[in-house]
Amino acid sequence: GAVVSQHPSRVICKSGTSVKIECRSLDFQATTMFWYRQFPKQSLMLMATSNEGSKATYEQGVEKDKFLINHASLTLSTLTVTSAHPEDSSFYICSARQNGQLNTEAFFGQGTRLTVV
Amino acid sequence: GENVGLHLPTLSVQEGDNSIINCAYSNSASDYFIWYKQESGKGPQFIIDIRSNMDKRQGQRVTVLLNKTVKHLSLQIAATQPGDSAVYFCAENINTGFQKLVFGTGTRLLVSP
Repeated sequence: GAVVSQHPSRVICKSGTSVKIECRSLDFQATTMFWYRQFPKQSLMLMATSNEGSKATYEQGVEKDKFLINHASLTLSTLTVTSAHPEDSSFYICSARQNGQLNTEAFFGQGTRLTVV
Repeated sequence: GENVGLHLPTLSVQEGDNSIINCAYSNSASDYFIWYKQESGKGPQFIIDIRSNMDKRQGQRVTVLLNKTVKHLSLQIAATQPGDSAVYFCAENINTGFQKLVFGTGTRLLVSP
């Protein structure tokens, strides 16, 4: 299947700093990528849908200014957690669908474990 | 967002048993559904999918059933193996002009040898 690479896999940062997470589709182009957050023993919560060349669509309750999403190319989307605080510590996961492929599976990255200290 | 604050139910089975994992969805605009398996510390892995114009689909050792009347999905795993132990999520593709993939609560499957 198609491969989605997420980097870094783990990051520890100090409170108040910003962290950037990258999501790349390695062998396909993705107009749309999704960003999720997952707390321990809970499901994946959709944060936003990232659209190449346009603004991301955020889910209700997700702060746009705190979670900055950039989808500059068909193979790369980034999530920046700005002014991170301990409550932002979580597992962040991205996924991507192939261009033009509606109603098909989304391929997932391996996730990023963010710990804010 | 959806599913915040909900903890995972657990299904415990013996090796060789058949497992049935259930999922309820709520959005009538959902037109496509996927079952994912997630192992600890990893991203979700595709298992099987089904479109809304179908009510059953079979794969290798897995079967997905869709009941649109009651908005219910199930995943059946035949001859469950210890390697099947993981958390299983159903995801629904909500199509309201643009598509988004939303995950259900999830179920932890524990398989004892």
